[in-house]
Amino acid sequence: QVRLQESGPGLVKPSETLSLTCTVSGYSISSGYYWGWIRQPPGKGLEWIGTMYHSGSTYYNPSLKSRVTMSVVTSKNQFSLNLNSVTAADTAIYYCVGTEEVGATPIDNWGQGTLVTVSS
Amino acid sequence: QSVLTQPPSVSGAPGQRVTISCTGSSSNIGAGYDVHWYQQLPRTAPKLLIYGNSDRPSGVPDRFSGSKSGTSASLAITGLQAEDEADYHCQSYDSSLSVVVFGGGTKLTVL
Repeated sequence: QVRLQESGPGLVKPSETLSLTCTVSGYSISSGYYWGWIRQPPGKGLEWIGTMYHSGSTYYNPSLKSRVTMSVVTSKNQFSLNLNSVTAADTAIYYCVGTEEVGATPIDNWGQGTLVTVSS
Repeated sequence: QSVLTQPPSVSGAPGQRVTISCTGSSSNIGAGYDVHWYQQLPRTAPKLLIYGNSDRPSGVPDRFSGSKSGTSASLAITGLQAEDEADYHCQSYDSSLSVVVFGGGTKLTVL
């Protein structure tokens, strides 16, 4: 069974970079799954941030593309999210997720989520 | 403003049937992309409830069903139970925006 666990700072200052890591257990990150991030501002709906393959192919939400970088560290079975120049609008619960394909496929694996607050 | 439109809230008494709509456009649901539904219990991560418009993952009761027609999809819950009180989200893909899209979520209250 695939298990995902987010980790990273819960508080980030405006204009700085939000950095999160997702540790995958029960599955090798290089075995063919797609890995991604979704966020949910408090009391609001879900927003797709991006998806990547272990080979390095990335697919980003165009609305965030200029600020997002995703990468994989296969040796640690982890993947990460960097979001730069953050503002209060980036305050959200961030979920790392796994899917069989990128695009219209269902998201069948979710981390528990981690709240990141952007505030000085 | 979400690309897919859901009602903010619905409610029903135990045992009743409720439906939640998810309305899109010709570049997402109407283009033939599948719709998936998630149940999000309070203070937990979303959980896949319906995939491929109408299929249920193993372990999901058959009280939950999904359908799709034209540019819209629906989630129906029959025999409403207190434990069904949660937020429900629909998801698809939009080809003109090249993004995975979600509805704004619907809060189900069991009266």
